[in-house]
Amino acid sequence: DAKTTQPNSMESNEEEPVHLPCNHSTISGTDYIHWYRQLPSQGPEYVIHGLTSNVNNRMASLAIAEDRKSSTLILHRATLRDAAVYYCILTGLDTNTGNQFYFGTGTSLTVIP
Amino acid sequence: GAVVSQHPSRVICKSGTSVKIECRSLDFQATTMFWYRQFPKQSLMLMATSNEGSKATYEQGVEKDKFLINHASLTLSTLTVTSAHPEDSSFYICSARDPRTGGTGELFFGEGSRLTVL
Repeated sequence: DAKTTQPNSMESNEEEPVHLPCNHSTISGTDYIHWYRQLPSQGPEYVIHGLTSNVNNRMASLAIAEDRKSSTLILHRATLRDAAVYYCILTGLDTNTGNQFYFGTGTSLTVIP
Repeated sequence: GAVVSQHPSRVICKSGTSVKIECRSLDFQATTMFWYRQFPKQSLMLMATSNEGSKATYEQGVEKDKFLINHASLTLSTLTVTSAHPEDSSFYICSARDPRTGGTGELFFGEGSRLTVL
């Protein structure tokens, strides 16, 4: 399974943008880049995912490098409710394996009021 | 609202007893569900892939006789921790993907079940 590397922790001031980086230098051509976040004592929550092009949704934006070896999750205006552990995950198209998600260590985001 | 639901959310049991955790997909039929375990301040660890109508696929190092997985219907998978011991105390989380997304869409996670073994 392709690995991802994220900083262990980051801080942001409330209402400022946050850029959460993820390196995935061994990504294969069919791997999708997924981002999830987890609040304490809850299951992970989907944030966004993409393949090659940048993606936007109501929660965040995903910027994918041209070589796809890295990506950045962008929270446009951090709120206190965005404080969570953010996971960047690669998932392939291997239907035999069920397209499992293997979680890395993630980035713990602290939002400062 | 939640599309994957787990029950119970919390369970306390005595050492040596067995505990069953249910995972239901509410809005879609899930041929595949995934079970994770998470210890405090650690990431999620994939335990097994639950396949409807067939045997589960366990990750390396996960004891299949201790963590029994049954996926008898397209909306229900169960994880039974047999002869639980204090070291099995953990946060157990299930997940499923809507097959209509073609295998690449988002994964929906349950709320998690916190098991405490006394």
